[in-house]
Amino acid sequence: AQSVTQPDIHITVSEGASLELRCNYSYGATPYLFWYVQSPGQGLQLLLKYFSGDTLVQGIKGFEAEFKRSQSSFNLRKPSVHWSDAAEYFCAVDSTLGRLYFGRGTQLTVWP
Amino acid sequence: KAGVTQTPRYLIKTRGQQVTLSCSPISGHRSVSWYQQTPGQGLQFLFEYFSETQRNKGNFPGRFSGRQFSNSRSEMNVSTLELGDSALYLCASSTLEGDTQYFGPGTRLTVL
Repeated sequence: AQSVTQPDIHITVSEGASLELRCNYSYGATPYLFWYVQSPGQGLQLLLKYFSGDTLVQGIKGFEAEFKRSQSSFNLRKPSVHWSDAAEYFCAVDSTLGRLYFGRGTQLTVWP
Repeated sequence: KAGVTQTPRYLIKTRGQQVTLSCSPISGHRSVSWYQQTPGQGLQFLFEYFSETQRNKGNFPGRFSGRQFSNSRSEMNVSTLELGDSALYLCASSTLEGDTQYFGPGTRLTVL
């Protein structure tokens, strides 16, 4: 069965520091992978996606993610975090027929 | 192009009542998926519609139902509301299966 694990429930970083959010997935075939971000009381905004090809994908707001099949991982990174990046981040894997499986999310706090 | 819209944004109901939530997808998108988000269970898939047909359904009781109209707009209905139905209900649209899902802002349902 498909599943997504985000091992870090809460991460705190200082503004300007680098960031890596971890995501591991379980999926039988070649996965379609996504990272979404959610601000309080809002919907989910797509940061980036991986379908195939280059395993390093670039997204919006300076985020990137690397797909590593051997480790079943799709970690999200940003070289320098801004205070406005504080939000909750969700990793997701696409199943069939319009169903996304989400991780439990990682809450990011940014210290000034 | 306008994004996914959901109405109403906020809703307060009492136990035993029923509620209908509406979702208008991005123009040209024919697939609509619904998710429930709660602090305890995270993001859970409810169902997906494509061309007025429900193609996929999550593990929710029959009190949760939905439909899609010929213009791709979708509604979900929850009958006999329970306190545990209090959640953020998110709708997402995509062009077709396996494509990127774009989310609306959600409807915050509170059951008293």
